Amino acid sequence: GAVVSQHPSRVICKSGTSVKIECRSLDFQATTMFWYRQFPKQSLMLMATSNEGSKATYEQGVEKDKFLINHASLTLSTLTVTSAHPEDSSFYICSARDGGQGYAGTEAFFGQGTRLTVV
Amino acid sequence: AQSVTQLDSHVSVSEGTPVLLRCNYSSSYSPSLFWYVQHPNKGLQLLLKYTSAATLVKGINGFEAEFKKSETSFHLTKPSAHMSDAAEYFCGGGYNKLIFGAGTRLAVHP
Repeated sequence: GAVVSQHPSRVICKSGTSVKIECRSLDFQATTMFWYRQFPKQSLMLMATSNEGSKATYEQGVEKDKFLINHASLTLSTLTVTSAHPEDSSFYICSARDGGQGYAGTEAFFGQGTRLTVV
Repeated sequence: AQSVTQLDSHVSVSEGTPVLLRCNYSSSYSPSLFWYVQHPNKGLQLLLKYTSAATLVKGINGFEAEFKKSETSFHLTKPSAHMSDAAEYFCGGGYNKLIFGAGTRLAVHP
């Protein structure tokens, strides 16, 4: 299957700083990317959906000014957690699929996740 | 509205016995549905997907799932569990976004 590379796998940052997480599709064009947050032993909560070249669509309750998503190219999307606080500590996972919005039949490929710890 | 519901948070089976993980969906559109598996601190791996081509879908590692529109279900099954099947399983789907159920933790005992 296609490969999605997520970096870094782990990051520890100080409260008040910003952290950027990268998600790259290595061998396909990621028309759509999804960002999820996962709390321990819980499901993946969809944070936002982004399509290349357009603004991300955020799920209800997700602060767009705190979780900045950029999808400037067909192979790269970034999630920046701004002014991080300890409650932002979580496992963040990206996924990507080759298919425009509405083309739901294409499977999504997942990155390995980023464990963010804010101290 | 789109939603995916996994009916069991935990399932425990003995090695060699059948596995059934239940999933129901709600969608205003003809859905695409997926089953993924997640091992600890890892991303998700696709087991199988339904995209209206066939109602019985075969996936990797001996898993299969049957789409039943009348029951709005997409349950995952495997005839004989293996120790390596122990993991978290997520049913997902959606039209213009991909959302997941709460997950089912599968435990396999010797």
